[in-house]
Amino acid sequence: QSVLTQPPSVSAAPGQKVTISCSGSSSDIGNNYVSWYQQLPGTAPKLLIYDNNERPSGIPDRFSGSKSGTSATLAITGLQAGDEADYYCGTCDTSLSAGHWVFGGGTKLTVL
Amino acid sequence: EAQLLESGGGLMQPGGSLRLSCVASGFSFSNFAMNWVRQAPGKGLEWVSVISGSSNTIYYADSVKGRFTISRDNSRNTLYLQMNSLRAEDTALYYCAKGEFVVPAAMGGLDVWGQGTTVTVSS
Repeated sequence: QSVLTQPPSVSAAPGQKVTISCSGSSSDIGNNYVSWYQQLPGTAPKLLIYDNNERPSGIPDRFSGSKSGTSATLAITGLQAGDEADYYCGTCDTSLSAGHWVFGGGTKLTVL
Repeated sequence: EAQLLESGGGLMQPGGSLRLSCVASGFSFSNFAMNWVRQAPGKGLEWVSVISGSSNTIYYADSVKGRFTISRDNSRNTLYLQMNSLRAEDTALYYCAKGEFVVPAAMGGLDVWGQGTTVTVSS
C-alpha cells in the first residue's frame, strides 16, 4: 500500500484535459516539494514536474502541476495518444528523513 | 547528456546475495545524491535507498534495512547496491535515479533515471 494516494486510472479523449490527484499528509506533501513522473509502457520513469509546478526543459507546457495543503494535482491539456502512460507522484516524508522518498501507487492514463 | 546504466541483476535463490551497479556519465557524479528505486512486476515505484554525494548520509526503506547496503565510488562514477538475504518480495526492476542536490532532498525531484536491471528471487 502506497503512502501517497492516486486514482488507479483516468481517461479522456484526445484534445481534452485530464487531472490526476495525489493525496498525502502533513509529513510528506504538506511539508515538502512534490514531483511527478511519467512512465511510458516498457520504459523507465521520466521526471515531468518538480518542485510542485516546475517543468524540466523539454517538457511541454501542456503538463502542469499544483499543490495545496496535503494534496497535489497533475494536469494535462490537449491530450495526445502519446500521453498514454502511468503517472506517479513523489515526495519525501520528513517524519522519516529528509531523503526518504514516498510515491503514489500510480495512475494509468488512457486516451480514448 | 546525463545518463545512468545499471547492471548486475539476475536470478537468485532466496537467501542469496547480489550486487547491483549503476555507472553514471555526463554529469559531475560526486555532486549529487543517488537513489535506488525498484518496481515489482506490474506494480508501482518503491524507493529503496539514497546516498549523499560524499557518502556521509545514507537512508534505507524499512523493507530493506539491515539487508541491503548502498555505496558509491566517486572515482569510478559508480553507485552500488549490495543485496543480502534476498527474499521473493525483492523481485523487481531496480532503477538508479539521480537527485538534484548533493544531499538527499525532494527539491528538484529525481531528474535522471537509468533503464533498470531485473532481479528475480525464486527457488
